[in-house]
Amino acid sequence: DTGVSQNPRHKITKRGQNVTFRCDPISEHNRLYWYRQTLGQGPEFLTYFQNEAQLEKSRLLSDRFSAERPKGSFSTLEIQRTEQGDSAMYLCASSSTQTTGQGGYTFGSGTRLTVV
Amino acid sequence: RKEVEQDPGPFNVPEGATVAFNCTYSNSASQSFFWYRQDCRKEPKLLMSVYSSGNEDGRFTAQLNRASQYISLLIRDSKLSDSATYLCVRAGGSYIPTFGRGTSLIVHP
Repeated sequence: DTGVSQNPRHKITKRGQNVTFRCDPISEHNRLYWYRQTLGQGPEFLTYFQNEAQLEKSRLLSDRFSAERPKGSFSTLEIQRTEQGDSAMYLCASSSTQTTGQGGYTFGSGTRLTVV
Repeated sequence: RKEVEQDPGPFNVPEGATVAFNCTYSNSASQSFFWYRQDCRKEPKLLMSVYSSGNEDGRFTAQLNRASQYISLLIRDSKLSDSATYLCVRAGGSYIPTFGRGTSLIVHP
Protein backbone atom coordinates (compact mmCIF):
# COMPACT_ATOMS: atom_id res chain seq x y z
CA ASP A 1 0.00 0.00 0.00
CA THR A 2 1.49 3.31 -1.05
CA GLY A 3 -0.59 5.55 1.18
CA VAL A 4 -3.49 7.85 0.40
CA SER A 5 -3.87 8.58 -3.29
CA GLN A 6 -5.71 11.57 -4.74
CA ASN A 7 -6.58 12.26 -8.35
CA PRO A 8 -6.19 14.46 -10.22
CA ARG A 9 -3.24 16.35 -8.76
CA HIS A 10 -4.27 19.54 -10.50
CA LYS A 11 -7.54 20.70 -12.02
CA ILE A 12 -8.22 23.94 -13.84
CA THR A 13 -11.85 24.60 -14.63
CA LYS A 14 -14.02 27.41 -15.81
CA ARG A 15 -16.44 29.03 -13.43
CA GLY A 16 -19.78 27.27 -13.51
CA GLN A 17 -18.40 23.85 -14.44
CA ASN A 18 -18.68 20.76 -12.26
CA VAL A 19 -15.60 18.96 -11.00
CA THR A 20 -15.07 15.64 -9.24
CA PHE A 21 -12.07 14.54 -7.21
CA ARG A 22 -11.21 11.03 -6.10
CA CYS A 23 -9.50 9.78 -2.97
CA ASP A 24 -8.22 6.23 -2.40
CA PRO A 25 -7.43 5.80 1.30
CA ILE A 26 -5.10 3.28 2.90
CA SER A 27 -6.95 0.02 2.42
CA GLU A 28 -7.34 -0.95 6.07
CA HIS A 29 -8.46 2.53 7.15
CA ASN A 30 -12.17 2.81 7.86
CA ARG A 31 -12.24 6.57 8.45
CA LEU A 32 -11.92 9.12 5.65
CA TYR A 33 -11.84 12.90 5.84
CA TRP A 34 -11.96 15.72 3.30
CA TYR A 35 -10.34 19.08 3.96
CA ARG A 36 -9.86 22.29 2.03
CA GLN A 37 -6.74 24.41 2.40
CA THR A 38 -6.08 27.89 1.06
CA LEU A 39 -2.80 29.80 1.10
CA GLY A 40 -1.68 30.77 4.58
CA GLN A 41 -4.39 28.76 6.30
CA GLY A 42 -4.53 25.37 7.90
CA PRO A 43 -6.70 22.59 6.50
CA GLU A 44 -10.43 23.27 7.06
CA PHE A 45 -12.66 20.28 7.73
CA LEU A 46 -15.31 19.53 5.11
CA THR A 47 -16.69 16.07 5.80
CA TYR A 48 -15.98 12.70 7.40
CA PHE A 49 -16.91 9.10 6.61
CA GLN A 50 -16.74 6.03 8.76
CA ASN A 51 -16.88 3.15 6.34
CA GLU A 52 -19.59 4.16 3.85
CA ALA A 53 -21.53 6.38 6.26
CA GLN A 54 -21.08 10.14 6.04
CA LEU A 55 -21.21 11.01 9.73
CA GLU A 56 -20.37 14.69 9.81
CA LYS A 57 -20.40 17.67 7.46
CA SER A 58 -19.03 21.14 8.00
CA ARG A 59 -21.14 24.20 7.30
CA LEU A 60 -18.42 25.00 4.75
CA LEU A 61 -19.91 22.18 2.68
CA SER A 62 -22.56 24.16 0.81
CA ASP A 63 -25.27 22.50 -1.26
CA ARG A 64 -22.95 22.70 -4.27
CA PHE A 65 -20.65 20.18 -2.62
CA SER A 66 -21.36 16.49 -2.30
CA ALA A 67 -19.20 13.62 -1.15
CA GLU A 68 -19.68 9.90 -1.37
CA ARG A 69 -17.95 6.75 -0.25
CA PRO A 70 -20.23 4.13 -1.76
CA LYS A 71 -18.46 0.92 -0.75
CA GLY A 72 -16.50 2.20 2.18
CA SER A 73 -13.31 2.28 0.13
CA PHE A 74 -12.58 5.18 -2.24
CA SER A 75 -14.40 8.50 -1.95
CA THR A 76 -15.38 11.23 -4.37
CA LEU A 77 -15.92 14.93 -3.76
CA GLU A 78 -17.98 16.78 -6.34
CA ILE A 79 -18.34 20.53 -6.65
CA GLN A 80 -21.16 21.76 -8.85
CA ARG A 81 -21.30 25.19 -10.50
CA THR A 82 -17.78 26.05 -9.37
CA GLU A 83 -17.00 29.57 -8.20
CA GLN A 84 -13.65 31.35 -8.02
CA GLY A 85 -13.82 31.10 -4.24
CA ASP A 86 -13.65 27.31 -4.57
CA SER A 87 -10.03 27.57 -5.71
CA ALA A 88 -8.01 25.74 -3.08
CA MET A 89 -6.13 22.56 -2.29
CA TYR A 90 -8.51 19.72 -1.47
CA LEU A 91 -6.92 17.22 0.88
CA CYS A 92 -8.10 13.75 1.76
CA ALA A 93 -6.96 11.89 4.85
CA SER A 94 -7.66 8.49 6.28
CA SER A 95 -7.20 6.75 9.59
CA SER A 96 -8.20 3.58 11.35
CA THR A 97 -9.92 3.19 14.68
CA GLN A 98 -6.57 2.07 16.04
CA THR A 99 -4.46 4.94 14.69
CA THR A 100 -6.88 7.80 15.23
CA GLY A 101 -6.21 8.29 18.91
CA GLN A 102 -2.49 8.54 18.25
CA GLY A 103 -2.86 11.20 15.57
CA GLY A 104 -2.40 8.70 12.79
CA TYR A 105 -4.19 10.65 10.08
CA THR A 106 -2.48 10.02 6.76
CA PHE A 107 -2.96 12.67 4.12
CA GLY A 108 -2.86 12.40 0.37
CA SER A 109 -0.94 14.89 -1.73
CA GLY A 110 -4.13 16.79 -2.49
CA THR A 111 -5.92 18.06 -5.57
CA ARG A 112 -5.22 21.69 -6.41
CA LEU A 113 -8.30 23.29 -7.95
CA THR A 114 -8.10 26.54 -9.88
CA VAL A 115 -11.36 28.10 -11.04
CA VAL A 116 -10.89 30.68 -13.79
CA ARG B 1 -13.09 32.72 18.19
CA LYS B 2 -11.43 29.93 16.24
CA GLU B 3 -11.20 26.54 17.90
CA VAL B 4 -7.43 26.41 17.49
CA GLU B 5 -5.32 29.56 17.31
CA GLN B 6 -1.69 29.91 16.35
CA ASP B 7 0.65 32.80 15.66
CA PRO B 8 1.34 32.49 11.91
CA GLY B 9 4.86 33.92 12.26
CA PRO B 10 7.14 33.62 10.43
CA PHE B 11 9.65 32.76 13.09
CA ASN B 12 13.05 33.46 11.55
CA VAL B 13 15.87 31.85 13.55
CA PRO B 14 19.53 30.95 12.97
CA GLU B 15 20.74 27.38 12.90
CA GLY B 16 21.29 26.03 16.38
CA ALA B 17 18.70 28.25 18.00
CA THR B 18 15.91 27.08 20.27
CA VAL B 19 12.44 28.12 19.22
CA ALA B 20 9.04 27.61 20.82
CA PHE B 21 5.53 27.82 19.45
CA ASN B 22 2.30 28.02 21.39
CA CYS B 23 -1.20 27.16 20.34
CA THR B 24 -4.42 27.89 22.23
CA TYR B 25 -7.68 26.03 21.94
CA SER B 26 -11.19 26.93 22.96
CA ASN B 27 -13.01 23.63 23.34
CA SER B 28 -12.40 22.22 26.80
CA ALA B 29 -13.87 18.90 25.72
CA SER B 30 -10.92 18.33 23.41
CA GLN B 31 -9.53 14.87 23.76
CA SER B 32 -6.27 14.65 21.89
CA PHE B 33 -3.66 17.01 20.56
CA PHE B 34 -0.94 16.72 17.96
CA TRP B 35 1.65 18.70 16.09
CA TYR B 36 1.81 18.20 12.35
CA ARG B 37 4.48 19.48 10.00
CA GLN B 38 3.71 20.74 6.51
CA ASP B 39 6.40 21.52 3.96
CA CYS B 40 5.68 23.98 1.17
CA ARG B 41 3.14 22.53 -1.28
CA LYS B 42 3.15 19.18 0.50
CA GLU B 43 0.62 17.39 2.65
CA PRO B 44 0.65 17.60 6.47
CA LYS B 45 2.48 14.83 8.29
CA LEU B 46 2.34 13.86 11.95
CA LEU B 47 5.26 15.20 13.94
CA MET B 48 4.25 14.12 17.42
CA SER B 49 1.40 13.63 19.86
CA VAL B 50 1.03 15.92 22.86
CA TYR B 51 0.40 14.72 26.40
CA SER B 52 -0.12 16.49 29.72
CA SER B 53 3.00 14.76 30.99
CA GLY B 54 5.01 16.12 28.10
CA ASN B 55 6.40 14.29 25.13
CA GLU B 56 9.97 14.42 23.88
CA ASP B 57 11.28 13.10 20.59
CA GLY B 58 14.89 13.98 19.98
CA ARG B 59 15.17 17.75 19.60
CA PHE B 60 11.40 18.21 19.83
CA THR B 61 9.38 18.58 23.03
CA ALA B 62 5.61 19.00 23.15
CA GLN B 63 3.55 19.93 26.18
CA LEU B 64 -0.14 20.21 26.96
CA ASN B 65 -1.58 22.54 29.61
CA ARG B 66 -5.26 21.68 29.99
CA ALA B 67 -5.89 24.26 32.72
CA SER B 68 -4.75 27.12 30.47
CA GLN B 69 -5.89 25.41 27.28
CA TYR B 70 -2.68 25.64 25.33
CA ILE B 71 -0.12 23.35 23.82
CA SER B 72 3.47 24.09 23.00
CA LEU B 73 6.23 22.82 20.76
CA LEU B 74 9.89 23.40 21.56
CA ILE B 75 12.59 22.78 18.97
CA ARG B 76 16.17 22.70 20.18
CA ASP B 77 19.30 23.05 18.04
CA SER B 78 17.31 24.09 14.96
CA LYS B 79 18.38 22.66 11.60
CA LEU B 80 17.84 24.12 8.15
CA SER B 81 15.63 21.12 7.46
CA ASP B 82 13.27 22.18 10.26
CA SER B 83 12.02 25.02 8.05
CA ALA B 84 8.34 24.29 7.53
CA THR B 85 4.88 25.17 8.78
CA TYR B 86 3.91 23.58 12.09
CA LEU B 87 0.21 22.87 12.52
CA CYS B 88 -1.44 22.55 15.89
CA VAL B 89 -4.22 19.94 15.85
CA ARG B 90 -6.96 19.03 18.30
CA ALA B 91 -9.34 16.12 18.08
CA GLY B 92 -12.57 16.01 20.06
CA GLY B 93 -14.79 13.13 21.03
CA SER B 94 -15.41 12.08 17.45
CA TYR B 95 -11.67 12.30 16.74
CA ILE B 96 -12.15 14.60 13.76
CA PRO B 97 -8.97 16.67 13.67
CA THR B 98 -9.25 20.46 13.74
CA PHE B 99 -6.20 22.34 12.51
CA GLY B 100 -4.79 25.72 13.40
CA ARG B 101 -3.60 27.98 10.61
CA GLY B 102 -0.01 26.95 11.22
CA THR B 103 3.17 28.68 12.34
CA SER B 104 5.85 29.24 9.73
CA LEU B 105 9.44 28.53 10.79
CA ILE B 106 12.41 29.64 8.74
CA VAL B 107 15.83 28.45 9.89
CA HIS B 108 18.68 30.32 8.22
CA PRO B 109 22.43 29.59 8.10
